[in-house]
Amino acid sequence: EAQVTQNPRYLITVTGKKLTVTCSQNMNHEYMSWYRQDPGLGLRQIYYSMNVEVTDKGDVPEGYKVSRKEKRNFPLILESPSPNQTSLYFCASRPQGAGEQYFGPGTRLTVT
Amino acid sequence: GENVEQHPSTLSVQEGDSAVIKCTYSDSASNYFPWYKQELGKRPQLIIDIRSNVGEKKDQRIAVTLNKTAKHFSLHITETQPEDSAVYFCAASIYRGYQKVTFGTGTKLQVIP
Repeated sequence: EAQVTQNPRYLITVTGKKLTVTCSQNMNHEYMSWYRQDPGLGLRQIYYSMNVEVTDKGDVPEGYKVSRKEKRNFPLILESPSPNQTSLYFCASRPQGAGEQYFGPGTRLTVT
Repeated sequence: GENVEQHPSTLSVQEGDSAVIKCTYSDSASNYFPWYKQELGKRPQLIIDIRSNVGEKKDQRIAVTLNKTAKHFSLHITETQPEDSAVYFCAASIYRGYQKVTFGTGTKLQVIP
């Protein structure tokens, strides 16, 4: 089944404790992105990647890191999480030649 | 950078009526405008999209119109049904180009039976 998966789905952590949210797609898509969704603010792009080893900042990259060492994986790293990073995070992928993005199920992160 | 404004933030309609959601964008380089539907607790899913070389696109009860000159595009849902109740997001990006995508802030549509 073609899909985008994220892990974990739910995470409660404390300020300053490094964490990684994994994202994997099995559709051989070139493009992958991370978004955060907050009430009243919609979806805001954090980082995106156009292919292996090619990444760039979205609109809200502060406090996040990403890497794209393999085509299928695009992990989101929070080196020192803070409470303002409490949010719902979505990973998405799309093939190079098309516009539709396929979203993962989301990761709800709470930083206390 | 791109800025996308979406109105209204909430919309209530009677079942069977039409619903219209409007978005404006700022970057004339944007040429791809998708609309996503997000049901409660679910992921966003594409419902319709339009490219800048087309003025209107229709898919059953859903249509999207684009005015490039005015930099605005709209989602039209006719004969609304309770299952249309969801949050709808518009977005703007560059088709086939790099992956920067800017979303609107969302419209919560409630269809009253």
